[in-house]
Amino acid sequence: RKEVEQDPGPFNVPEGATVAFNCTYSNSASQSFFWYRQDCRKEPKLLMSVYSSGNEDGRFTAQLNRASQYISLLIRDSKLSDSATYLCVVRNQGGKLIFGQGTELSVKP
Amino acid sequence: GAVVSQHPSWVICKSGTSVKIECRSLDFQATTMFWYRQFPKQSLMLMATSNEGSKATYEQGVEKDKFLINHASLTLSTLTVTSAHPEDSSFYICSAYSGEGEETQYFGPGTRLLVL
Repeated sequence: RKEVEQDPGPFNVPEGATVAFNCTYSNSASQSFFWYRQDCRKEPKLLMSVYSSGNEDGRFTAQLNRASQYISLLIRDSKLSDSATYLCVVRNQGGKLIFGQGTELSVKP
Repeated sequence: GAVVSQHPSWVICKSGTSVKIECRSLDFQATTMFWYRQFPKQSLMLMATSNEGSKATYEQGVEKDKFLINHASLTLSTLTVTSAHPEDSSFYICSAYSGEGEETQYFGPGTRLLVL
């Protein structure tokens, strides 16, 4: 079983739609959680950290459920520029970042 | 935010040659840098952790004699793919903590390697 698993993609949505990504992790001792965004042929860039209390940054809302080892990302009012691959990332006890495979999002006009 | 650069951004080489990739932290000192590899449609896989002034720590399954890592200064780490073969063709990305907080890990722009 992979340490970090994400929804298989791709997600094709119209502009303005709300889209949700899910992620599960296997190591209950994982310490920190993040969502990264990766554009085609580019490096990943931090989108937001994820906290147990849930956190929001504009149109993006992240949730963490430690009990079920589940992380989510909600994007409201999708824009064309949101098209990218979204990576669920977990930092383990040793400080290493473990990346999920990523979920591809394509927002259409 | 902090900046990490990589050079070259892409390289095409013949099978059997060695390729060196540089990773630099431009505006901060990085005692630790990380090297990742990403194959198409797959996640980033950590190859090794590069420590300034000491030997790199390699992940299971990564050949240390094939992927030579040198972290000679607080701003430079190099990855050399020795005797590259077509199966080494991949996207190699480095990253570093800026030291401002444990959340702050910055990635270089990546190096795309194609071995013919």
